[in-house]
Amino acid sequence: QSVLTQPPSVSAAPGQKVTISCSGSSSNIGNNYVSWYQQFPGTAPKLLIYDNNKRPSGIPDRFSGSKSGTSATLGITGLQTGDEADYYCGTWDGSLSGVVFGGGTELTVL
Amino acid sequence: EVQLVESGGSLVQPGGSLRLSCVASGFTFSTYSMNWVRQAPGKGLEWLSYISSGSSTIYYAGSVKGRFTISRDNDENSLYVQMNSLRDDDTAVYHCAFSWRNDYGMDVWGQGTTVTVSS
Repeated sequence: QSVLTQPPSVSAAPGQKVTISCSGSSSNIGNNYVSWYQQFPGTAPKLLIYDNNKRPSGIPDRFSGSKSGTSATLGITGLQTGDEADYYCGTWDGSLSGVVFGGGTELTVL
Repeated sequence: EVQLVESGGSLVQPGGSLRLSCVASGFTFSTYSMNWVRQAPGKGLEWLSYISSGSSTIYYAGSVKGRFTISRDNDENSLYVQMNSLRDDDTAVYHCAFSWRNDYGMDVWGQGTTVTVSS
């Protein structure tokens, strides 16, 4: 059972928009920055979003992040088949004194 | 090119020990805090441990506290994790990772090394 809660899967058609939620508590999301990661099978995770809504260099602006209270959301617009991957949220948890991740969300682009 | 290369993974029996290494290149290793993260087969990401740039601050996940020990050698640009009392559920791909901002995000990841705990 992950500390952060994500939907196991989401799907949408090419060109459409999808959002992935990440729910936590005041000890983690509520008081810390959230990061989002993309992972393709058999590869290492890749940072998509940091500090709730910032994109590292090279990440297209189709990817966006937001946070409100104890929840965070990853948005992906203009979906492409190449976006099919697993997505994870992560943040610091002050009560656990450690990094926590969501269980991951599998994105299918139909 | 910024690179993290893990090594040391292998097949080990339950109760055994293993030491993983992560060699860094392409950046000033000594100025960045580092993390170990693992992923069991078919499962999600699990953070294991954090060590600050000078080794003064160390954190562990509850699942490995008392069994795993993180360390680093800044002269050798290397990060380590000593894993003792290994269990079946420690079977996973182990990644090292760090953040350019020295916070708890992870910008750069190694490809990982595989640890299999089985009799």
